[in-house]
Amino acid sequence: QQPVQSPQAVILREGEDAVINCSSSKALYSVHWYRQKHGEAPVFLMILLKGGEQKGHDKISASFNEKKQQSSLYLTASQLSYSGTYFCGTGEDSGGSNYKLTFGKGTLLTVNP
Amino acid sequence: DSGVTQTPKHLITATGQRVTLRCSPRSGDLSVYWYQQSLDQGLQFLIQYYNGEERAKGNILERFSAQQFPDLHSELNLSSLELGDSALYFCASSGRQGRPGNTIYFGEGSWLTVV
Repeated sequence: QQPVQSPQAVILREGEDAVINCSSSKALYSVHWYRQKHGEAPVFLMILLKGGEQKGHDKISASFNEKKQQSSLYLTASQLSYSGTYFCGTGEDSGGSNYKLTFGKGTLLTVNP
Repeated sequence: DSGVTQTPKHLITATGQRVTLRCSPRSGDLSVYWYQQSLDQGLQFLIQYYNGEERAKGNILERFSAQQFPDLHSELNLSSLELGDSALYFCASSGRQGRPGNTIYFGEGSWLTVV
């Protein structure tokens, strides 16, 4: 089942912060975050595994609450290069080796000067 | 460059035709995934292969089929094409175990236009 992302779109001025949320109705093993520029391949940002860890690099970080089956992506002091569509992908904890990564519909982030 | 190679990059074909999209995963990756992305749509999971075997299936139409060969490259076959099949098709690969914790790297995609 497809995870739900919110908001669907957000517009920022350079230097502002944003939070993108991702929630699932199923038990999750992992959450993957990607950024995609129009017409290009999604680019991997980070992966969070079951255990509630928080990860980050530079001004982009993320958290994963496995009990609530939710993840949030935090972008601080946004830069023009942050513009794009952000996708969360959820890996379900099926307990077997069969596995699929299901993506949300994406959040369009626009950073203006 | 993710290391995942897809061909062709662009393809225009007529309705009713059949096409094959090809994907070479990153060196050492055993898992291959196929995704479809239509205009203004998210990434729709089609199918996953691991070391030649089908491992997970998404909303893949019966007109579509895929396989992974012994050299680990994969092909996605689309037949009886319809206008609605026009989309960007991505192949992605991940590491040896093909488990949810592995990072998945995407290729540049194959643009399919059905006219």
